[in-house]
Amino acid sequence: GAVVSQHPSRVICKSGTSVKIECRSLDFQATTMFWYRQFPKKSLMLMATSNEGSKATYEQGVEKDKFLINHASLTLSTLTVTSAHPEDSSFYICSARSTSSQEWIQYFGPGTRLLVL
Amino acid sequence: DAKTTQPPSMDCAEGRAANLPCNHSTISGNEYVYWYRQIHSQGPQYIIHGLKNNETNEMASLIITEDRKSSTLILPHATLRDTAVYYCIVRTGGTSYGKLTFGQGTILTVHP
Repeated sequence: GAVVSQHPSRVICKSGTSVKIECRSLDFQATTMFWYRQFPKKSLMLMATSNEGSKATYEQGVEKDKFLINHASLTLSTLTVTSAHPEDSSFYICSARSTSSQEWIQYFGPGTRLLVL
Repeated sequence: DAKTTQPPSMDCAEGRAANLPCNHSTISGNEYVYWYRQIHSQGPQYIIHGLKNNETNEMASLIITEDRKSSTLILPHATLRDTAVYYCIVRTGGTSYGKLTFGQGTILTVHP
């Protein structure tokens, strides 16, 4: 149980285009989902926290107009990188927390590797 | 959230126990200790968490000192597939959201 999927697993796009990454909780409902970014040989950096049906909360320094987050259902959150530039190339990872679990555990997806040319 | 300190790297022989330390000397009473690991190019995997009691599951054991200022993750019989970056994270309890803040972690290398 507690499986989180991401799609696509890797994407290459041209500079200036937008890219959407999907995060799904496959066997549980998630009130809260999180989006992280990880650069090579670095640790994960939290970008934003999203709650189903409400606006995401962004970490300091993360542009909300550039990284659009939608959490439309209890099993799906999307991250759209708008007008992508080469510096947005990174490993994007989502995580989700079960609504029903008494334990506060975040389960992570496998990540999406974005390369902007 | 309390800051954690971990050694940057450790080695362990296959089949032996791997003991990964974590210092969280500024932890407060309602903060939990979580351990995750990340195998190269994958998302982090939850291992175990605890508040003040020692915990054990099918993956590992978590030993928290009585003053809660440090903890040790124990992988009882390490295998080559346990080679990963291990993150010790302290999270504030009692909130609905409560984010996890990742540090640099410990690179554990299990060798034959």
